[in-house]
Amino acid sequence: DTGVSQNPRHKITKRGQNVTFRCDPISEHNRLYWYRQTLGQGPEFLTYFQNEAQLEKSRLLSDRFSAERPKGSFSTLEIQRTEQGDSAMYLCASRRQGNTGELFFGEGSRLTVL
Amino acid sequence: RKEVEQDPGPFNVPEGATVAFNCTYSNSASQSFFWYRQDCRKEPKLLMSVYSSGNEDGRFTAQLNRASQYISLLIRDSKLSDSATYLCVVNDDYKLSFGAGTTVTVRA
Repeated sequence: DTGVSQNPRHKITKRGQNVTFRCDPISEHNRLYWYRQTLGQGPEFLTYFQNEAQLEKSRLLSDRFSAERPKGSFSTLEIQRTEQGDSAMYLCASRRQGNTGELFFGEGSRLTVL
Repeated sequence: RKEVEQDPGPFNVPEGATVAFNCTYSNSASQSFFWYRQDCRKEPKLLMSVYSSGNEDGRFTAQLNRASQYISLLIRDSKLSDSATYLCVVNDDYKLSFGAGTTVTVRA
C-alpha cells in the first residue's frame, strides 16, 4: 500500500504525558499537512511542510505542539503535557507540488487524554 | 467569521431523490475549490474538484459562484451509498481550509 500511513492509530494517555505521532506521506509528495478533527467538525489546519521546511503553523497550535519533517520524508507531531482538550483525531495528508492537486489523507491517529 | 461555512444538515432523503447544499467562503482571492466526502470514522477523500464553469461527475454536479463566494453540490438519483458527510474545501495558495461538513443520509 503506497498511501499515507500514520501511527499509532490510537493512543490513550493520561493528562500531562507527552505523545508523538508519525506520518509517512506518499513518497513523491513534497507537501505534507497536519490537521486535527473533533466530532462534528471538519479538519482544522495545524501546520504545513514543503519538503523539510515548516512554512506555516496555525494559531491553534500552542507551544506544547511541535512538528518536524527532518529529511523531507516522514513527519512527526509531538504534543507535550497533554490536556483533555487535545483529545481528537490527528490527520496527516500529503499532495504534490501545485495548488490544484488532490490532498491524500492517512487514516488518522486518534488521541484520547484521560 | 469562519473561512468556510456549510449548512450542517442533516439532510435525510429517500433513495432516488435529489439533494443540494451550499458552502460559502470568506476569502475572495481563494484559488481552487473541492468537495471531499467523509464516511463515518474514515478519512476524507476527494469527491470532485469545482471549476468556474461548473462541472458534473456522474450524478454529482458542482457549481462555483465567485461573485457571491459560494459553492454548491447537487446529488441526483441518491443512492444509499451516498450517505456521508460532504466537506467543502477552499484552497488559498498552499493551505486547504475545510468546512464543518454537511451530513446526508439516504434512506431506503
